[in-house]
Parts: sequence; structure tokens; C-alpha cells
Amino acid sequence: DAMVIQNPRYQVTQFGKPVTLSCSQTLNHNVMYWYQQKSSQAPKLLFHYYDKDFNNEADTPDNFQSRRPNTSFCFLDIRSPGLGDAAMYLCATSSNMPTDTQYFGPGTRLTVL
Amino acid sequence: AQKVTQAQTEISVVEKEDVTLDCVYETRDTTYYLFWYKQPPSGELVFLIRRNSFDEQNEISGRYSWNFQKSTSSFNFTITASQVVDSAVYFCALNPYSSASKIIFGSGTRLSIRP
Repeated sequence: DAMVIQNPRYQVTQFGKPVTLSCSQTLNHNVMYWYQQKSSQAPKLLFHYYDKDFNNEADTPDNFQSRRPNTSFCFLDIRSPGLGDAAMYLCATSSNMPTDTQYFGPGTRLTVL
Repeated sequence: AQKVTQAQTEISVVEKEDVTLDCVYETRDTTYYLFWYKQPPSGELVFLIRRNSFDEQNEISGRYSWNFQKSTSSFNFTITASQVVDSAVYFCALNPYSSASKIIFGSGTRLSIRP
């Protein structure tokens, strides 16, 4: 089945230690998104790629970076995680049109010690 | 303003009861898209339905039904004969055409189905 895959499902890191979360998709979608979701809140868009074009949200901290080496993969790098970065990180994809349905992966739950 | 309001923070019903989750939206766009997503305890956001602003036809899918009314800017979701597996957080979301890729989520409604 075509799907969105996120690894790892659970990630524990130490305060200030860089961490990378990965997302891959078999849907061959052009658009990939990263969301941060804190407990009891709605997902918050961090940035997205439309093909190779990177679109950063204005309020996304510089501590968060992303890479998309090819259509299938997208990475979220947190350069110096703080306690406030503990959250669920969700990857999503959509096809060519920006208003198309976004399909989400299972998420990576990040714990910062 | 462009926003989605889910006034019901939490709902708890007994299994087999019908339950309606409310969603009210605001947008200045004439073209927009509405969504419902389900988020079970595992955390994955599961897509349920997408509606465009020009299609007010209500939809039924098994025990799920959706009532889209532009006159009241509402897109309500009803689960008939609820089951324990329906327990989850449900998000209503809006994607105005002018916002391109940016979905505006409601705050979510936590639905608990008691056996």
C-alpha cells in the first residue's frame, strides 16, 4: 500500500543534542510537510517543500531545519533541542495541487531529557 | 479572519449512541476546502473526508455522515451507532484557496465512547 512512513516512532534525545527525524513516502507526491503537535493542541505547520522549493513558516524557529534530497524522503533536523521541543512531529504529503488532501504519517514522538 | 472553531472540547457517550461533532469555519475565500481528520491514541492523523466549497451535498460513509451548510458556515460530523474504536480526537480543518498549502485546524474534539 502507498503510504507515508516516519522513523523512528519514538526518539529520545538530550538537551542540546542534535536530532534528525525522517519521513519517506511511496505516494510519489510533490509536496511534503512537517508539523509539530504538542499535547492537546492542533498540529502546527513548520515548513513544507513543493518539489524542491522550501517554504518556511514565519514563526518556525531557526533551530528547525529540513532537507529533501529526493521526492521520496524528507528530514527534519533539530539543531539544539530544548525542553520545549518535546512534541509529536508529523510528516504529511499531498500531490501536485497545494489544496489537495494531506496524508499524514504515524508521527515521531520526541522526548528531550 | 480565517479560522475553524470546534466548540466541543470533549464528548463522552455510551456505545451505540449517535454523536455529532460540530465545526464552524470562517473564511473570506469563495473557494475553499474542508476536511475532517481522526487522531486515535496512536497519534496518526487519519484522513476522513474532503469537501470543496461548491459541493454542499451531504455525504454518508457507513456509520459516518457529514452535513455541510454554507449558510451557517458549518461542516458537522455525525457518527451513528458509535463504537469504542471511534474514540479519538477529531479535527476539522479548512484550506482556503488563497492559503495554498496551509491548513487551518480547529482545536479538536476529544470523543470518548464508553462500553
